[in-house]
Amino acid sequence: AQSVTQLGSHVSVSEGALVLLRCNYSSSVPPYLFWYVQYPNQGLQLLLKYTSAATLVKGINGFEAEFKKSETSFHLTKPSAHMSDAAEYFCAVSLNYGGSQGNLIFGKGTKLSVKP
Amino acid sequence: DGGITQSPKYLFRKEGQNVTLSCEQNLNHDAMYWYRQDPGQGLRLIYYSQIVNDFQKGDIAEGYSVSREKKESFPLTVTSAQKNPTAFYLCASSITVQGGNQPQHFGDGTRLSIL
Repeated sequence: AQSVTQLGSHVSVSEGALVLLRCNYSSSVPPYLFWYVQYPNQGLQLLLKYTSAATLVKGINGFEAEFKKSETSFHLTKPSAHMSDAAEYFCAVSLNYGGSQGNLIFGKGTKLSVKP
Repeated sequence: DGGITQSPKYLFRKEGQNVTLSCEQNLNHDAMYWYRQDPGQGLRLIYYSQIVNDFQKGDIAEGYSVSREKKESFPLTVTSAQKNPTAFYLCASSITVQGGNQPQHFGDGTRLSIL
């Protein structure tokens, strides 16, 4: 069965510091992976996706993620945090086989706080 | 602009009452989804539909019902059988489920509370 684990329910960084949000997945087949961002009382917005092309994926707002098969990881990074990055971030893996193809399995989310 | 519209944004339910959450998309997407979000729980799938006139139960379908009579509409009814309906409900859609590599696009959610 496919699953996603996000390490750290809360992460706090200073403005200008590196952002690192961790995501590990479990999948018996090559996965498709996604990062989403959610601002308070809003829906989820796609940041980036990995679909078996380049292992380093660039997304919106300066975020990127690297797919590492050996570590079953898909960590999200941003070199320099901005106050506007404060939000909740979700990692998700897509079911890519069977009758539930296309369904997403979400991690429990990581809330990012940015200190001035 | 294309997108997903959920209404209402806030909804209150009395004990024993059924309520219906609206979800409309003008993206011409085949697949639509309903999720429930509780603090610290991530998103949990309630129902999904891969095509018009067909839908499947997700992980937490008990106490909920859906219909998919039109491609652009996927309303969710929270029935009185759902004993803990207070949550944030998100609707999503994707172009197709083929291949599993298409991202889902989300509406802005409906927050349901018990009176």
